[in-house]
Amino acid sequence: DAKTTQPNSMESNEEEPVHLPCNHSTISGTDYIHWYRQLPSQGPEYVIHGLTSNVNNRMASLAIAEDRKSSTLILHRATLRDAAVYYCILRSSGGSNYKLTFGKGTLLTVNP
Amino acid sequence: DTGVSQDPRHKITKRGQNVTFRCDPISEHNRLYWYRQTLGQGPEFLTYFQNEAQLEKSRLLSDRFSAERPKGSFSTLEIQRTEQGDSAMYLCAGAGGPPDTQYFGPGTRLTVL
Repeated sequence: DAKTTQPNSMESNEEEPVHLPCNHSTISGTDYIHWYRQLPSQGPEYVIHGLTSNVNNRMASLAIAEDRKSSTLILHRATLRDAAVYYCILRSSGGSNYKLTFGKGTLLTVNP
Repeated sequence: DTGVSQDPRHKITKRGQNVTFRCDPISEHNRLYWYRQTLGQGPEFLTYFQNEAQLEKSRLLSDRFSAERPKGSFSTLEIQRTEQGDSAMYLCAGAGGPPDTQYFGPGTRLTVL
């Protein structure tokens, strides 16, 4: 599986935007970029995914670089509830087992 | 709430004992995954079912581990002769059609004394 690189931790203030970066320089043409987050004492939760174009949903936005070697998860207005570990994952569209290969992720701290 | 439940939520056992965990996905989840997560690490893939067929097992799944998904509904993960190194959070995830978003349960935290 292609590898992703994320900062170990980031800090934000409540109600401010947060940009969480992810590098994936070895991404292949068929890899989707998925973001999951894990709140304390819970299972991971799907946030957003994309292939080439930027994506928006009610939780976040995903900005994908033109060469697809990096992406950024954008939380438009951080809340205390957004404090979590955020995982950037490359998931191949080939085959039938769409298992997720998690790294250590980025621990986001949101200050009140 | 993802609709995926796991039971029990916590399990404390002594080394050498057998334990079994259960995962109940929603009916639309024809795919089911098991992951293991240790402290400070991201979840690691263990095994995968499509309906009742177990299609892939990780090298992490030693002979002491077995998983089933009879009738393609709930799934069980059994660990025989538990070791202290088995202490971890065991996560189950269900998935349906495209884009194959995985919906995780709350996990079962296993502590082996």
